[in-house]
Amino acid sequence: ETGVTQTPRHLVMGMTNKKSLKCEQHLGHNAMYWYKQSAKKPLELMFVYSLEERVENNSVPSRFSPECPNSSHLFLHLHTLQPEDSALYLCASSQDFRGGSVDTQYFGPGTRLTVL
Amino acid sequence: QKEVEQNSGPLSVPEGAIASLNCTYSDRGSQSFFWYRQYSGKSPELIMFIYSNGDKEDGRFTAQLNKASQYVSLLIRDSQPSDSATYLCAVGYSGYSTLTFGKGTMLLVSP
Repeated sequence: ETGVTQTPRHLVMGMTNKKSLKCEQHLGHNAMYWYKQSAKKPLELMFVYSLEERVENNSVPSRFSPECPNSSHLFLHLHTLQPEDSALYLCASSQDFRGGSVDTQYFGPGTRLTVL
Repeated sequence: QKEVEQNSGPLSVPEGAIASLNCTYSDRGSQSFFWYRQYSGKSPELIMFIYSNGDKEDGRFTAQLNKASQYVSLLIRDSQPSDSATYLCAVGYSGYSTLTFGKGTMLLVSP
């Protein structure tokens, strides 16, 4: 596998379910990101991890819980979601988070989430 | 509040024409500018990035940056139907790899 992979690619869940999204990067990067993409809205940054430490959390509801066990893996745990949480969830990685310049982010294929 | 503005389109051009996609940003401290292409149902893929004022060319693509006017554009020469996609402009700030994205411009290239 190369680049950034995400599983599952599609997920349908009820509001009372608990599920997890998984992201894995094979680029040797140190920073990983979760984004939410809803129709007609810009990509919204949810969480940033740098060297497994959470460095940014953009006021995301607590029903979304990230986990970064190592620099290659990132999870997004979901529980008691709402229908408005239905969206494309994208994982991205970059070489580093802090540095002299902004590193390019590379995206995974995304998980299309539908909350019933 | 950092904002990145793009015309949502669709921008329609005939095959072989030059497509011009524009983006403005609000924060004068912005230092890095990225263009991503996103096909329907797919994830964004990087086309180009630019850091300095002026033009940067890569094949059929040219990114243009004017920091004084807070304006960045992407020109696509000899547009092909396969270029039909949504183009996302993203802006970064020195020292941190956090990007602010625009809503994207949909480009339609007709044969």
